Amino acid sequence: QKEVEQDPGPLSVPEGAIVSLNCTYSNSAFQYFMWYRQYSRKGPELLMYTYSSGNKEDGRFTAQVDKSSKYISLFIRDSQPSDSATYLCAMSARGNNRLAFGKGNQVVVIP
Amino acid sequence: GAVVSQHPSWVICKSGTSVKIECRSLDFQATTMFWYRQFPKQSLMLMATSNEGSKATYEQGVEKDKFLINHASLTLSTLTVTSAHPEDSSFYICSATRGTSGRGEQYFGPGTRLTVT
Repeated sequence: QKEVEQDPGPLSVPEGAIVSLNCTYSNSAFQYFMWYRQYSRKGPELLMYTYSSGNKEDGRFTAQVDKSSKYISLFIRDSQPSDSATYLCAMSARGNNRLAFGKGNQVVVIP
Repeated sequence: GAVVSQHPSWVICKSGTSVKIECRSLDFQATTMFWYRQFPKQSLMLMATSNEGSKATYEQGVEKDKFLINHASLTLSTLTVTSAHPEDSSFYICSATRGTSGRGEQYFGPGTRLTVT
């Protein structure tokens, strides 16, 4: 079993829809959870950072962490064509800067 | 804040030559820098971790004599691909962490596309 599972299947949504992405993990030591956005041929950009369980909202983006279920989610409201990118979940344990990544989800928002 | 740059953004070189890629943290001091490799439509593969002033720690299967990493200052790390071959063609990305909090946040550079002919 991989440490982090993320269904890489491409996701196409119409503009304005809600995009829902998720990852599951197996390592209970993970405490820091991140979502990165990566445009084609660019480096990943840190989008959301959360610590332990709970929700965090930033504009149209909401990150949720459920440590009891080892499950994290990212929601994008009112999706825009500019949101079309690959979204990678990543996580790390306390005191360890090394990140475990999901495979990434390619999202396409259709105008 | 937390901007990381890479240079060059793309490079084409002939088989057998060496290529150096620079990674700089522009507005913070990076105690730790990471080098990744990414193949098309795949996630990031960690190659090595480097701390300023000490030798890099390489991941299993990564040849340290082929991929030379130097982290000479708190704002600069370099990756040199020695005797490059076509199979080394890839997208190389560096990242950096701020401070020593161990909170996992990594800030990534824009990447360098290497093509070996």
